Amino acid sequence: QITLKESGPTLVKPTQTLTLTCTFSGFSLSTSGVGVGWIRQPPGKALEWLALIYWNDDNRYSPSLNSRLTITKATSKNQVILTMTNMDPVDTATYYCAHAVAAAGVYFDYWGQGTLVTVSS
Amino acid sequence: QSVLTQPPSVSGAPGQRVTISCTGSSSNIGAGYNVHWYQQLPGTAPKLLIYGNSIRPSGVPDRFSGSKSGPSASLAITGLQAEDEADYYCQSYDSSLSGHVVFGGGTKLTVL
Repeated sequence: QITLKESGPTLVKPTQTLTLTCTFSGFSLSTSGVGVGWIRQPPGKALEWLALIYWNDDNRYSPSLNSRLTITKATSKNQVILTMTNMDPVDTATYYCAHAVAAAGVYFDYWGQGTLVTVSS
Repeated sequence: QSVLTQPPSVSGAPGQRVTISCTGSSSNIGAGYNVHWYQQLPGTAPKLLIYGNSIRPSGVPDRFSGSKSGPSASLAITGLQAEDEADYYCQSYDSSLSGHVVFGGGTKLTVL
């Protein structure tokens, strides 16, 4: 049974760096074809993909946020960490991590419950 | 502005059939990348509904079906039920700019 859970601060100040941790179980991030992605959703708005890390350490980032994002994995701890620098109120959103399957592209078959991050001074 | 274009809203009466379109381009759907669909019920995380253009994960009713043609894809829901009222998102992969995941802007389905 695959589960994922996001953790991190619920409130950050503008210009600060956000660090979110995705702790998962039920799969290994060293298995070929597997990845973990981060997706966010501002209140009342659409899903926006942020970043993806694959089993082979290949990383992909949203072109519009590439300069602000870093995704890393701690395979032995079953964790994936996302950092986003220079936070702004427009970054207020629910942040999800999800199990990714690489197959003619990639899709997300298991999602965490999400964590709401508010950016405010 | 989402890379994949979906209608903002669709509606239908119980028992009817509705379709949701997802239009991409030659760098994503038109390039042969698969399209996947997610259902998001109010206040919950998205749930995978269709993957690989037309494959239903275990537990997804066969009332839901997906198709793809050229640079576009569609999600069809038959025998509409009240519990189908949700937001629906398409997703694919884009080969531009080193490759990245793309989502549609979402479609709100209202069951009348």
